[in-house]
Amino acid sequence: QTVVTQEPSFSVSPGGTVTLTCGLSSGSVSASYYPTWYQQTPGQAPRTLIYSTNTRSSGVPDRFSGSIVGNKAALTITGAQADDESDYYCVLYMGSGIYVFGTGTKVTVL
Amino acid sequence: EVQLVESGGGLVQPGGSLRLSCSASGFTFSSYAMYWVRQAPGKGLEYVSAISSNGGSTYYADSVKGRFTISRDNSKRTLNLHMSSLRAEDTAVYYCVKAGYCSSTTCYSPFDPWGQGTLVTVSS
Repeated sequence: QTVVTQEPSFSVSPGGTVTLTCGLSSGSVSASYYPTWYQQTPGQAPRTLIYSTNTRSSGVPDRFSGSIVGNKAALTITGAQADDESDYYCVLYMGSGIYVFGTGTKVTVL
Repeated sequence: EVQLVESGGGLVQPGGSLRLSCSASGFTFSSYAMYWVRQAPGKGLEYVSAISSNGGSTYYADSVKGRFTISRDNSKRTLNLHMSSLRAEDTAVYYCVKAGYCSSTTCYSPFDPWGQGTLVTVSS
C-alpha cells in the first residue's frame, strides 16, 4: 500500500521561509504524479494552493510556491504570515483514477 | 460560483446505514466526475469514492469497498453516498468534491472545490 509522507509539523517565524515536502514510501515523486497542495484551516474545507507541481491556484499569494526537490514534491512559504498557520496536505496521482493524500503537516507561525 | 452543499450526516449506530447527498450548482454537473473525501476527527484526508460524469464508472477505497455505494442523478444535479454496515472508524466529516480536469497543456487541481462537509458519527 502506497503511503505519501509529510512532516508532521513545522514552526516558522513571521517573515520566515519554510519548505514542506511530500514523499513516497517507495520511489520518487515526479511531475507525472501531478502533486497538488491544499491548505486547511480549523473547521474549514481544504482549498487548493498549488496544482501540477508548481501552478498557483487563482487568488493564492505568490509567497506560496511548489517544486520538486530531490525525490519529493515541495511547498515553500516565503515570508510567512500569521494567517498561514494551517494544516497542509499534498495529494499524488497514482494513475487509473487513484489519488493518495499525504499525512499532512501542521504549520505554526510564531 | 460553484457551490456544493452536503446533507444527510448524523448519528448512527454501528452496523447501521446512512445516505449522504450533495447538491451542486454553478457548473455543468453532468460534465464532471465527482468525489467523496472524508476526514476523521483530528486526522488527515482520505479519498473515499469517485464516480464518472455519466455514472458509468466508480471507485472505492479498500476501507469502504462493499459497504458504500456512490451514485449520481445528473437531472437533479445531485451526488449521493449510501453507507451501510457502518463502523466506528467511519466517523468523519464527509466532503463532496468536484473533480478537476486536464486540458491539452496542464492538469488542474483534482479536488476543487470542496463542499463544507457533513459529519457522520457512528456510535452506540
